[in-house]
Amino acid sequence: EAGVAQSPRYKIIEKRQSVAFWCNPISGHATLYWYQQILGQGPKLLIQFQNNGVVDDSQLPKDRFSAERLKGVDSTLKIQPAKLEDSAVYLCASSDLRDKTFSGANVLTFGAGSRLTVL
Amino acid sequence: GNSVTQMEGPVTLSEEAFLTINCTYTATGYPSLFWYVQYPGEGLQLLLKATKADDKGSNKGFEATYRKETTSFHLEKGSVQVSDSAVYFCALLVWAGKSTFGDGTTLTVKP
Repeated sequence: EAGVAQSPRYKIIEKRQSVAFWCNPISGHATLYWYQQILGQGPKLLIQFQNNGVVDDSQLPKDRFSAERLKGVDSTLKIQPAKLEDSAVYLCASSDLRDKTFSGANVLTFGAGSRLTVL
Repeated sequence: GNSVTQMEGPVTLSEEAFLTINCTYTATGYPSLFWYVQYPGEGLQLLLKATKADDKGSNKGFEATYRKETTSFHLEKGSVQVSDSAVYFCALLVWAGKSTFGDGTTLTVKP
């Protein structure tokens, strides 16, 4: 099966500019996540979608970050305006909450990530 | 809140050495526990998991046992290979969808 697709893989921008990342999850996965991974740290959840509705965006800096998932499939994450501290890898992941293979535990499938450098 | 603490790296081993990467957690509720691995230039991928106390997850020669009494999920492998060089993340999941990750441990295996 095809994996989680993300683009672009790399992006370099100046501070105060805007940037957008795109994610296409595994076909049929209803749940989609955006994580921010700063160098040397573990992934931190920014937002979680169930179909096209937001389940959790408590860690999303809403003054500059926005995300949408139209039609419950692809998703975009936007940063405007970017700050130096936004330099990180932005990971998209998806899961199928219907998957009962592991007694209901939810396994995430990650994309390769989009590396953002803000200068 | 929920948190995961991993042993700090980097860890450098010779090929065929024994590996242990410590992971302890704090969670409200009854978590499932995971180890993810990130190879250079790739996304995170599931290595193994355990969903209840005393469960042992295993994959590719790696093992980890869910220890509720010590709130731990240490990763072990009896004989590492150069191809095991990667970053390893311990994670917990308390309810479906909300995972908490440790900061990762970088493993380098030298021939």
